[in-house]
Amino acid sequence: GDSVTQMEGPVTLSEEAFLTINCTYTATGYPSLFWYVQYPGEGLQLLLKATKADDKGSNKGFEATYRKETTSFHLEKGSVQVSDSAVYFCALSDRVQGAQKLVFGQGTRLTINP
Amino acid sequence: DTGVSQDPRHKITKRGQNVTFRCDPISEHNRLYWYRQTLGQGPEFLTYFQNEAQLEKSRLLSDRFSAERPKGSFSTLEIQRTEQGDSAMYLCASQARGRGRPDTQYFGPGTRLTVL
Repeated sequence: GDSVTQMEGPVTLSEEAFLTINCTYTATGYPSLFWYVQYPGEGLQLLLKATKADDKGSNKGFEATYRKETTSFHLEKGSVQVSDSAVYFCALSDRVQGAQKLVFGQGTRLTINP
Repeated sequence: DTGVSQDPRHKITKRGQNVTFRCDPISEHNRLYWYRQTLGQGPEFLTYFQNEAQLEKSRLLSDRFSAERPKGSFSTLEIQRTEQGDSAMYLCASQARGRGRPDTQYFGPGTRLTVL
């Protein structure tokens, strides 16, 4: 079945550092790809998404590019802030009719120190 | 706040008791999903409703679990004869009907279940 593998955490960085969180996927079809974020004490929020190969999703300074050839969707940010501390989840959704259930990675906890 | 609400936010119960959770999706969203998230893991799909019809269920959903969505609005998830392995965060997500392309799923804050 479909699966998502994320970079093991936790990840700890200093403020203004460059961030990369790796994500690779296995899917039989042509999935859409997502990054969700879970801030402390809050629910999952969509951070960004890409629906086809070579699409770039971006939001709040974060970016990820859908790479079909490497089956990857790595999350990047050029300069992280303390407020970016959260758990980040990579996910995919099959592009078929009916249930568009999300398949999530295990999550990567990010801590940014001032 | 995504507009999806869940109640209760926390539930502590003894093994063998029944529990019921409620999810209120964004109004006019006709798709509703339930997921389960255990500690240190990503959410896992449990079941899916389109309007009032339950169209797909995961193998994770044993016969002790039942979900309903009467009238296609709010949904309930009931667990009968709870077991310690049921302890998890239960998440609800709502989604507007798209035309083939996946629209965003908006998640509620979750119900954290602890089975003693």
